[in-house]
Amino acid sequence: LAKTTQPISMDSYEGQEVNITCSHNNIATNDYITWYQQFPSQGPRFIIQGYKTKVTNEVASLFIPADRKSSTLSLPRVSLSDTAVYYCLVGENTGGFKTIFGAGTRLFVKA
Amino acid sequence: DTAVSQTPKYLVTQMGNDKSIKCEQNLGHDTMYWYKQDSKKFLKIMFSYNNKELIINETVPNRFSPKSPDKAHLNLHINSLELGDSAVYFCASSPRTGSHTIYFGEGSWLTVV
Repeated sequence: LAKTTQPISMDSYEGQEVNITCSHNNIATNDYITWYQQFPSQGPRFIIQGYKTKVTNEVASLFIPADRKSSTLSLPRVSLSDTAVYYCLVGENTGGFKTIFGAGTRLFVKA
Repeated sequence: DTAVSQTPKYLVTQMGNDKSIKCEQNLGHDTMYWYKQDSKKFLKIMFSYNNKELIINETVPNRFSPKSPDKAHLNLHINSLELGDSAVYFCASSPRTGSHTIYFGEGSWLTVV
């Protein structure tokens, strides 16, 4: 399984764009990149998933360079309610048993 | 309607007791899981259950035993509770074992005193 490295924490202000980068140097050919969001006292929630280039949904965008050794989760115009832990996962699309969550990035959004 | 629900949400119990946490999903998913999140917030998978097949994480003590009466339910029974079992336990499900998209419950806070 590809190991991931993310910043431990980040601070931002409301209305700003936040970019969280995840390094995964030993990503394998069959690996997908998935991001989850976890609010305090709740379970993680799927945000976005991608394999290469760019993926966008109503919540975020995911940028993946050609070498796929890193990825960047982009949250446009964050609000206070975006304060959460964001996890980057890399692995084959083979189900939760091989899904290992790292320490994640704790995002603090300030007013 | 809650997609993945687990009960109880909070549980305080003494060392040596046996307790169970129940989980139900109404998403029609084939695969269910139990995760443990410790005080350092690391989220680790404990079990994966796809229909009648249970996949056990060998690092989990055998005091922990999942039971699945049907594919919509996966309960977790813990024998002889220890202080180190204190954690948040999350139940989750996914459409199939080939899915990387996992839906989590809200967690069960277990405190062993």
